[in-house]
Amino acid sequence: NTVMTQSPTSMFISVGDRVTMNCKASQNVGTNVDWYQQKTGQSPKLLIYGASNRYTGVPDRFTGSGSGTDFTLTISNMQAEDLAVYYCLQYNYNPHTFGAGTKLELK
Amino acid sequence: QVTLKESGPGILQPSQTLSLTCTFSGFSLSTYGMGVGWIRQPSGKGLEWLANIWWDDDKYYNPSLKNRLTISKDTSNNQAFLKITNVDTADTATYYCARIPPPFAYWGQGTLVTVSS
Repeated sequence: NTVMTQSPTSMFISVGDRVTMNCKASQNVGTNVDWYQQKTGQSPKLLIYGASNRYTGVPDRFTGSGSGTDFTLTISNMQAEDLAVYYCLQYNYNPHTFGAGTKLELK
Repeated sequence: QVTLKESGPGILQPSQTLSLTCTFSGFSLSTYGMGVGWIRQPSGKGLEWLANIWWDDDKYYNPSLKNRLTISKDTSNNQAFLKITNVDTADTATYYCARIPPPFAYWGQGTLVTVSS
């Protein structure tokens, strides 16, 4: 199976911060990586598909980048509403595999 | 407007078969390129992909569940189904269905399934 290793596990941030989180695949997955945001008690929400394509309605402060084995999600100008757990997903191989998540918390 | 809603038994006993239904609107599983996936999440833990089914009835499963999974669809009634045989406490989770493409663009609210004797 393709292991998706997310880092860091958690981050303590302030409103207005620039936030960068990473996802490393155990093998080349091309650009077949999505990023999801999950707030407490809610279903995950698609933010980025195909590694770098912002999904419809997603604010432009969210940016995805990377290819191959290394991927990054950046939130510029962090907002309080962005507090959540973020997951990456690779769908290049079966089984599709999620990272363990990066939790954003307020300082 | 795309919506999905999962339904399930709520609680069942070990060794039983879990049957889940995803009822959706706003798209058709007979449309070229469309698919539905199932994903689960134990309370307080991460996400695990289970299976996908496509418009052409192509199916993909997570092999870690060792042939316990069966995914199917009823195109006429806009439903997708997932069965998990021989459940145990490790199958306790919130189960989601989600539309593809892209994986996974729209999610249901999830249905909590508890396996307990």
